[in-house]
Amino acid sequence: EDQVTQSPEALRLQEGESSSLNCSYTVSGLRGLFWYRQDPGKGPEFLFTLYSAGEEKEKERLKATLTKKESFLHITAPKPEDSATYLCAVQAGATDTGRRALTFGSGTRLQVQP
Amino acid sequence: DGGITQSPKYLFRKEGQNVTLSCEQNLNHDAMYWYRQDPGQGLRLIYYSQIVNDFQKGDIAEGYSVSREKKESFPLTVTSAQKNPTAFYLCASKGGQGGYSNQPQHFGDGTRLSIL
Repeated sequence: EDQVTQSPEALRLQEGESSSLNCSYTVSGLRGLFWYRQDPGKGPEFLFTLYSAGEEKEKERLKATLTKKESFLHITAPKPEDSATYLCAVQAGATDTGRRALTFGSGTRLQVQP
Repeated sequence: DGGITQSPKYLFRKEGQNVTLSCEQNLNHDAMYWYRQDPGQGLRLIYYSQIVNDFQKGDIAEGYSVSREKKESFPLTVTSAQKNPTAFYLCASKGGQGGYSNQPQHFGDGTRLSIL
């Protein structure tokens, strides 16, 4: 069974204080690992896709990295507007249904204080 | 602008009542999905559809039903058989070759369903 575990559950940072969020996964044949940002009362907003170990993606203050067991979302010099819940999801290899749905972690709630 | 529209934003259900949540997309995506989100939990898959006139049960389909008569639309009905329907419901779609694609899913802004 595919599993995704995110840590920490919640993280409070001061503005400018860099940190990392962790996403550990077990999956039968990773097809893709996805990071999303979710604001309260909104749907998840797509950030990054990582397909293979060693891959990195960057967007503004965010950088996502991938190994064979986990992914990190590094936040450099965060601002209050980066406050949100960050979700990690994996897409497994082909099954006989071919549904390729995502398995989500429970998310990390990030609060950045000015 | 292309996107996914969910309506209504808030919905209240009475005992014994069926309610329908709307999901419309203009992204020309083949695959569409319904998820349920509860506090402190990850999104859980209710139903998915890879193409028009076809849909499959997800992990928590009991008490729910769907239809896919048009490519753009994938409505979800929460039936009276769903005893704990209070949750945030999210609709998503994905491009590429339907379910076989590893492109990202894109989400609507959700419907929050509560019991009266």
